[in-house]
Amino acid sequence: DTEVTQTPKHLVMGMTNKKSLKCEQHMGHRAMYWYKQKAKKPPELMFVYSYEKLSINESVPSRFSPECPNSSLLNLHLHALQPEDSALYLCASRDTNNEKLFFGSGTQLSVL
Amino acid sequence: SQQGEEDPQALSIQEGENATMNCSYKTSINNLQWYRQNSGRGLVHLILIRSNEREKHSGRLRVTLDTSKKSSSLLITASRAADTASYFCATDAGTGNQFYFGTGTSLTVIP
Repeated sequence: DTEVTQTPKHLVMGMTNKKSLKCEQHMGHRAMYWYKQKAKKPPELMFVYSYEKLSINESVPSRFSPECPNSSLLNLHLHALQPEDSALYLCASRDTNNEKLFFGSGTQLSVL
Repeated sequence: SQQGEEDPQALSIQEGENATMNCSYKTSINNLQWYRQNSGRGLVHLILIRSNEREKHSGRLRVTLDTSKKSSSLLITASRAADTASYFCATDAGTGNQFYFGTGTSLTVIP
């Protein structure tokens, strides 16, 4: 199984809502990533988890809250988002002995 | 920003032609990777070249790396309509754990 599964595929939320994005992989990868991608732009690194611990936070606003409950699962909790947070949110994983990233298909988020 | 720059931003070619896209980056690296993204989808890894390598091949892909100029190029030979996608370079900025993407090249291959 070489898949990274992200749910939901699409999400529409209001600025006062709380929602969560989910990412799952069963490749035994111990590094997991969240990226944000606006239309026609490159993915921007948000968070890196290594062995279930947050190792990198790229100065992301606190309305985005990551969580890694176990080695297969990565969540991104969203609260009080702004319309400019509308984007494709991509999860990726990596074997720590290999630099290759495996990406999910992303969650297309719209904040109204 | 750790982001690299790619050129051209957009490239349109006929099927069968070769496509070349370039990536320049800012910091020392351990390796450089190229990814492909179809519209609205996740990225797919194409090829990795390490900082001590100068050229690498994989099928119709050829990657070069010039660390003195902090630049890389991706050549796709004998392009096909199915190669239509966005292509991004990614570097680890020497960290081995954080990966930053270049601005990307949008390739259109006309049948």
